[in-house]
Amino acid sequence: GENVEQHPSTLSVQEGDSAVIKCTYSDSASNYFPWYKQELGKRPQLIIDIRSNVGEKKDQRIAVTLNKTAKHFSLHITETQPEDSAVYFCAASSHGGSQGNLIFGKGTKLSVKP
Amino acid sequence: SAVISQKPSRDICQRGTSLTIQCQVDSQVTMMFWYRQQPGQSLTLIATANQGSEATYESGFVIDKFPISRPNLTFSTLTVSNMSPEDSSIYLCSVVTDHTWSLFFGPGTRLTVL
Repeated sequence: GENVEQHPSTLSVQEGDSAVIKCTYSDSASNYFPWYKQELGKRPQLIIDIRSNVGEKKDQRIAVTLNKTAKHFSLHITETQPEDSAVYFCAASSHGGSQGNLIFGKGTKLSVKP
Repeated sequence: SAVISQKPSRDICQRGTSLTIQCQVDSQVTMMFWYRQQPGQSLTLIATANQGSEATYESGFVIDKFPISRPNLTFSTLTVSNMSPEDSSIYLCSVVTDHTWSLFFGPGTRLTVL
């Protein structure tokens, strides 16, 4: 079955710097890769997602890149702000394509220092 | 995105008892799922709630322990049966909306088993 590895587990940056979180997956049939942000005590919130027919997607300060050959995808946050501090989870679709049937990475705790 | 509500938001239960969690969506959705998030951990899919038929369970989860109902396209329940302290987790209802094809989470039910 699908396995998703996420690195690093913790990341600390200065406000204004960039942050990069990387994930690898094992199932070449996976074709949907979302990223979620979870603040303490709150539900995971979808921040960006990418499908396998696209190599890169951007939304303001957030971008995701996908390398299907190498089976890895990354989240890039530019100009970080203290409110970006949270746990970020990557995920990949299992069973070849259902957007709800996701395998999650273990999470990255991002701290942005003012 | 759809508005998802869950009841109860939290509960403290005695071991050996059962708890039923309700999930209500403000619009009809085809796909509905139940996830679990153990303390400080990532998210794990329990099952896909199928409207009008038996749920589809992931490896490690069984119907006798986590019976699920889905009588229509806006409502589902998850029961945690014969609870033990290891069942202490946040249980999250989630849906894939038909127009975004992305997965959104409900607010979660925080369960503590003593």
